[in-house]
Amino acid sequence: GAGVSQSPSNKVTEKGKDVELRCDPISGHTALYWYRQSLGQGLEFLIYFQGNSAPDKSGLPSDRFSAERTGGSVSTLTIQRTQQEDSAVYLCASSFAGQGEKLFFGSGTQLSVL
Amino acid sequence: GESVGLHLPTLSVQEGDNSIINCAYSNSASDYFIWYKQESGKGPQFIIDIRSNMDKRQGQRVTVLLNKTVKHLSLQIAATQPGDSAVYFCAENWAAGNKLTFGGGTRVLVKP
Repeated sequence: GAGVSQSPSNKVTEKGKDVELRCDPISGHTALYWYRQSLGQGLEFLIYFQGNSAPDKSGLPSDRFSAERTGGSVSTLTIQRTQQEDSAVYLCASSFAGQGEKLFFGSGTQLSVL
Repeated sequence: GESVGLHLPTLSVQEGDNSIINCAYSNSASDYFIWYKQESGKGPQFIIDIRSNMDKRQGQRVTVLLNKTVKHLSLQIAATQPGDSAVYFCAENWAAGNKLTFGGGTRVLVKP
């Protein structure tokens, strides 16, 4: 596609429920990143996929967070048993080559946990 | 999406004036730096980047300056326009890493 696409744009859920956030990267980009942006904060790295390599999960805040990337393209970020502190904007980005340079971001999913 | 950073440092600038946004980075081994602009409800948008073998790079109305001695990065915007109102983030990467590390952001407000 023309840019990184994320869905849904907004998600409201109840505490304790599971949520899935979707990211469709730019066609041809081999690297895919998830970041989290809380109110008043910068961007916090969550997870990184590069080709068929094992993902870098070093930024995931707890074992309630997981992500998959199927077929080297679309990625899903799953948050289980959501907590109020999970409320944030979840941003997906993609890039060529995956060298942590010049990421192209989607518009994000605004997650609100009530 | 919601606006980001209600508690961000804010730079107010008169339309037509030049803006300077500063950023202190953390890793002396960082060799790549990038500035992003984020408007309300949107994802960060690339502005300009610079490698550590340079100390200045110019784009259209923007200039990035890198001072490795004091680990300082700045973004200069010439003739600031209302459309420049946004939150600006610097980010760094180093050769051994595969991800950008972002600073906290600065909000720029352009007064007409």
